[in-house]
Amino acid sequence: AQTVTQSQPEMSVQEAETVTLSCTYDTSESNYYLFWYKQPPSRQMILVIRQEAYKQQNATENRFSVNFQKAAKSFSLKISDSQLGDTAMYFCAFMKLMRDDKIIFGKGTRLHILP
Amino acid sequence: SQTIHQWPATLVQPVGSPLSLECTVEGTSNPNLYWYRQAAGRGLQLLFYSVGIGQISSEVPQNLSASRPQDRQFILSSKKLLLSDSGFYLCAWSPGYEQYFGPGTRLTVT
Repeated sequence: AQTVTQSQPEMSVQEAETVTLSCTYDTSESNYYLFWYKQPPSRQMILVIRQEAYKQQNATENRFSVNFQKAAKSFSLKISDSQLGDTAMYFCAFMKLMRDDKIIFGKGTRLHILP
Repeated sequence: SQTIHQWPATLVQPVGSPLSLECTVEGTSNPNLYWYRQAAGRGLQLLFYSVGIGQISSEVPQNLSASRPQDRQFILSSKKLLLSDSGFYLCAWSPGYEQYFGPGTRLTVT
């Protein structure tokens, strides 16, 4: 069975700094998807970034980028120039490369951006 | 574009009362649909998912049930609520891989 582990329950950084959120996963699959979701205080879950395991290039979305290390089964999220609006719970997630399969979520990291 | 709706946004129900939460998706057809529950400050627990009308898979045995009467409608129900059913309920849809979430329903069982 697949598992997703986020080892940092909570983090705080100053506005404009760069922060990295860690995620490791366990799977025997060779092809899969990895995601980072953001849940701000409004509790709306928002997809931040997606990485396909067969792609070697790390995904990037504006200030958000990932460091995908397939052999190490590591998938960290880097937020550059952090903003107050980045304050949220961040969930790492895994999905096998099957359309009808489920997404496995980690327990989340609560990120506070301090003014 | 696709949108997902959930209602009600907030609900306070006494123990033992029935429950019906509704989720609808617009702008797509034959989506995968999901119900999650999130306790305060906790992660997401997958409750049910559906890959088509009338096709429901249950992840956690409990006093909740789900139905999909129409392609883009997903309903979460209970005949008798328990205190432990309190939480934040999220519906999600998927075109294939990533999931997109609705705004959620905050349920308090008193």
